Amino acid sequence: NAGVTQTPKFQVLKTGQSMTLQCAQDMNHEYMSWYRQDPGMGLRLIHYSVGAGITDQGEVPNGYNVSRSTTEDFPLRLLSAAPSQTSVYFCATVPGPNYGYTFGSGTRLTVV
Amino acid sequence: QKEVEQDPGPLSVPEGAIVSLNCTYSNSAFQYFMWYRQYSRKGPELLMYTYSSGNKEDGRFTAQVDKSSKYISLFIRDSQPSDSATYLCAMSPYNFNKFYFGSGTKLNVKP
Repeated sequence: NAGVTQTPKFQVLKTGQSMTLQCAQDMNHEYMSWYRQDPGMGLRLIHYSVGAGITDQGEVPNGYNVSRSTTEDFPLRLLSAAPSQTSVYFCATVPGPNYGYTFGSGTRLTVV
Repeated sequence: QKEVEQDPGPLSVPEGAIVSLNCTYSNSAFQYFMWYRQYSRKGPELLMYTYSSGNKEDGRFTAQVDKSSKYISLFIRDSQPSDSATYLCAMSPYNFNKFYFGSGTKLNVKP
């Protein structure tokens, strides 16, 4: 039981490049979310999903796309990376109402 | 104005002290509250999940919510060096998802 697995752990991108951050979970949790963490800003919600085929925007969705074709996977795509997207990205899952998040270990992304 | 305000610290205390960590918020619709602990370069770990006003205790940890003052607290009794971490509060109008996080308070417990 690996929990929430995020890959890669570290990534350096050039401005304008695209990439996909992977998130996989083996807990059969319906709800999955992507957050970014920046110094002094806390964690901010990018996109979330309440089940396979259903996604919605969070607080800071611009520049990011998501899809959810299976319960297990919830990839986050950066369409054209910008230096403002330099951050630590966390994937989080919830089994249902009245439960807290289980977070992955994060992806540290630097855009130069 | 941020939805959730949290003093960044750092807060430095001796081992065995009682620690008080706090968050304030502006949205009166928030009903669900969480506290997370985050070690350096790790993902946050859930410590406490509470609903509405009142107290909840779990071992050395007590979470308090005062909705009338829009103020929540986490108390740590008999603090240990292993409690040294950043503590994040989070809250939402909903009982799952779409939580707003504070920026975290860094705690250092000295042996």
